[in-house]
Amino acid sequence: DTGVSQDPRHKITKRGQNVTFRCDPISEHNRLYWYRQTLGQGPEFLTYFQNEAQLEKSRLLSDRFSAERPKGSFSTLEIQRTEQGDSAMYLCASSWGGDQPQHFGDGTRLSIL
Amino acid sequence: AQSVTQLDSHVSVSEGTPVLLRCNYSSSYSPSLFWYVQHPNKGLQLLLKYTSAATLVKGINGFEAEFKKSETSFHLTKPSAHMSDAAEYFCVLNFNKFYFGSGTKLNVKP
Repeated sequence: DTGVSQDPRHKITKRGQNVTFRCDPISEHNRLYWYRQTLGQGPEFLTYFQNEAQLEKSRLLSDRFSAERPKGSFSTLEIQRTEQGDSAMYLCASSWGGDQPQHFGDGTRLSIL
Repeated sequence: AQSVTQLDSHVSVSEGTPVLLRCNYSSSYSPSLFWYVQHPNKGLQLLLKYTSAATLVKGINGFEAEFKKSETSFHLTKPSAHMSDAAEYFCVLNFNKFYFGSGTKLNVKP
């Protein structure tokens, strides 16, 4: 169990650019979650996958956001045409089933210039 | 509707004194509740979980929490704070997905 890993840890980009983050969950976990956390707030749910199927998306996930988990293993979160308001920590978590604790990665901190 | 309220945004204690972090929840169903801790620039680490087996739940690092259905509370306690406990703590309700409280920052004074 190597834990959940996220890459990159930090991303600085200019407004309007596209960015992509990667999450590698714990290998035997079938569920993978994405959250966004802004300063002084708790994480907010964005979306989750069970295996390769994306089962739920939050209203926070605008059309500029897309997530994939093509083979039910790693996942990517892409943000197109980034805006200042996208600056946040993006957290990934995984679990075995929906009623088990989620294991979190250390996050990707996105800064928009 | 599911929701979690953490009653204190900041708590400050002296090293060696007890810690109490308060959490109330709202759920239409029997809740599954967790406490997580987050150190700066890190992900969240599970402290403990309640899944209806016992109302008093023991976690890591000497933390425990008591589920009180009548009060819809799940407060986190520790008998004696350590400097390394300084972090942000999140109470979480699990109902198909995680509902996070807004967090309590714990400061531990020497």
